[in-house]
Amino acid sequence: AAGVIQSPRHLIKEKRETATLKCYPIPRHDTVYWYQQGPGQDPQFLISFYEKMQSDKGSIPDRFSAQQFSDYHSELNMSSLELGDSALYFCASSLGARNRRDLNTEAFFGQGTRLTVV
Amino acid sequence: DQQVKQNSPSLSVQEGRISILNCDYTNSMFDYFLWYKKYPAEGPTFLISISSIKDKNEDGRFTVFLNKSAKHLSLHIVPSQPGDSAVYFCAASAGDSSYKLIFGSGTRLLVRP
Repeated sequence: AAGVIQSPRHLIKEKRETATLKCYPIPRHDTVYWYQQGPGQDPQFLISFYEKMQSDKGSIPDRFSAQQFSDYHSELNMSSLELGDSALYFCASSLGARNRRDLNTEAFFGQGTRLTVV
Repeated sequence: DQQVKQNSPSLSVQEGRISILNCDYTNSMFDYFLWYKKYPAEGPTFLISISSIKDKNEDGRFTVFLNKSAKHLSLHIVPSQPGDSAVYFCAASAGDSSYKLIFGSGTRLLVRP
């Protein structure tokens, strides 16, 4: 079965550069979530989108922005990169953020993008 | 201020025995709980979930127990298998309109053959 696809898998950037991470959700999933996992830390929620609209916002820096496109894929744009942005960035998708008790709307994660800022 | 806590960073059990992973939470608004398993260099994989209206959910070798009064949940794996060796994350969410998952710090399970 198709899973959540993230690209690239690995990315090396220099300080103050920009980076764009892409996420392709499971087909028919309309909700996308972004998480950041720093070294030795638990995953931290950044932002989510439902039907191309931002549905929730977590600890996402102002230097980061994200959007969900008409085909439901999402991009996380990161500018003025800092060393502390080095982390694993996970995208997850689910179906229907609102009726999760009726539907099996557990979030399924991609394999992540490892961003290294040097 | 961690809202979801996994106080045991690691656990080692013998193959065939029961593995019990624990998770505590502080936010009484949490009403949906999930366990994810994570292998190195892979994204978390959904294992099992439980709604706050239940106190137990079972799926094969995996059972999750929820004690709302104690704000505690646990994942039981029986019998444990070497392939279960991974990092297990507890996660929680609150409210019908949000699927923001709050993760614990994870417990690394090692199942010894």
